[in-house]
Amino acid sequence: NAGVTQTPKFQVLKTGQSMTLQCAQDMNHNSMYWYRQDPGMGLRLIYYSASEGTTDKGEVPNGYNVSRLNKREFSLRLESAAPSQTSVYFCASNRAGTSGRAGETQYFGPGTRLLVL
Amino acid sequence: SQQGEEDPQALSIQEGENATMNCSYKTSINNLQWYRQNSGRGLVHLILIRSNEREKHSGRLRVTLDTSKKSSSLLITASRAADTASYFCATDETSGSRLTFGEGTQLTVNP
Repeated sequence: NAGVTQTPKFQVLKTGQSMTLQCAQDMNHNSMYWYRQDPGMGLRLIYYSASEGTTDKGEVPNGYNVSRLNKREFSLRLESAAPSQTSVYFCASNRAGTSGRAGETQYFGPGTRLLVL
Repeated sequence: SQQGEEDPQALSIQEGENATMNCSYKTSINNLQWYRQNSGRGLVHLILIRSNEREKHSGRLRVTLDTSKKSSSLLITASRAADTASYFCATDETSGSRLTFGEGTQLTVNP
């Protein structure tokens, strides 16, 4: 099992450009999450998908959109990148689902480092 | 807003010593978890302790939870250079539907 995979590993964008971060998991997990990690800020939840077909906003959703393509894949899109979106982005997944608890153990991908100039 | 706050922010010890990190939180929780992050990598789950548990062990790790004080500690015994990493606590709040992470403790174990 590869676990949680993310592409790309690193990306440089100019202000105003768009891009999509890809995430896939092979653990048959119901729930998937996107976080951003900034120095001294810990991890902050951007969006999550409790199950296939559902998405919900997290703590910092502004400037982002998500798509739960199928049970395995959850993408994060920046429509018009801004320097404030320079960060490391992590995707995570767990079994929770809509009837379970999102707070059970989460499994993380290796991250995407994004630099917006 | 951050639910968990780790203390200290940074800790430097010698190999073989014990390392203790603390986490405080503000609201009622279902469980509290500790994660490790090596430099440039994703987070790896270490241990989960539920609100009705007071202590849990896993190998060289010992976690305690005091719900009356809303605090937890992570003890790593007989530390190794490979334990050098950032350690994060995360809380599953009873009122929420997601994990909330603290800002982390950077542990450096010197050989």
